[in-house]
Amino acid sequence: GQNIDQPTEMTATEGAIVQINCTYQTSGFNGLFWYQQHAGEAPTFLSYNVLDGLEEKGRFSSFLSRSKGYSYLLLKELQMKDSASYLCAVRNSGAGSYQLTFGKGTKLSVIP
Amino acid sequence: GAVVSQHPSRVICKSGTSVKIECRSLDFQATTMFWYRQFPKQSLMLMATSNEGSKATYEQGVEKDKFLINHASLTLSTLTVTSAHPEDSSFYICSAMFSRDQPQHFGDGTRLSIL
Repeated sequence: GQNIDQPTEMTATEGAIVQINCTYQTSGFNGLFWYQQHAGEAPTFLSYNVLDGLEEKGRFSSFLSRSKGYSYLLLKELQMKDSASYLCAVRNSGAGSYQLTFGKGTKLSVIP
Repeated sequence: GAVVSQHPSRVICKSGTSVKIECRSLDFQATTMFWYRQFPKQSLMLMATSNEGSKATYEQGVEKDKFLINHASLTLSTLTVTSAHPEDSSFYICSAMFSRDQPQHFGDGTRLSIL
């Protein structure tokens, strides 16, 4: 089976930097994905890592260490609109299905 | 712009009604689409994997006869909730990927409320 852990809630200040961690245990690892989900809406894709290291996309960066089963999402220059849930998801290539298994999400509150 | 379109966005209907939800990939052909369900304050749970031209693969605990999936073309998958009951009320979301080395893109979701 798969096990994905991420903090339930975080609070950060507008303009600051926040790091959301995700640890996972899985077989057949084929990538780790980060999605943003605002309340009542569907997830939107942010970033993904297949190889170890840092991927940067504007204010968002994601890091992966496959040996440690660890990833983080880094949000810089926080804005109020960044208040949302951030979902860590692991892709498993078992049986060729390429399914995603989602963590429970981290609810980020950005305060003035 | 959106790459996956889902319709309808919201459904309110009586118990016993069957509801069909459509998921379309825009501007690309999706051999595989996925159907998820999300209850309030919980994460997305995969219900089934929909493959074009073949039967869907359902996750453990998901009733095949209750949640009918049809993936008749490379751009359209449908989920029909048959004889829906209040406990089926949830947020249903589809996703599609146009190649296996690319991320899944999600539709806007369908909020289903059964009275």
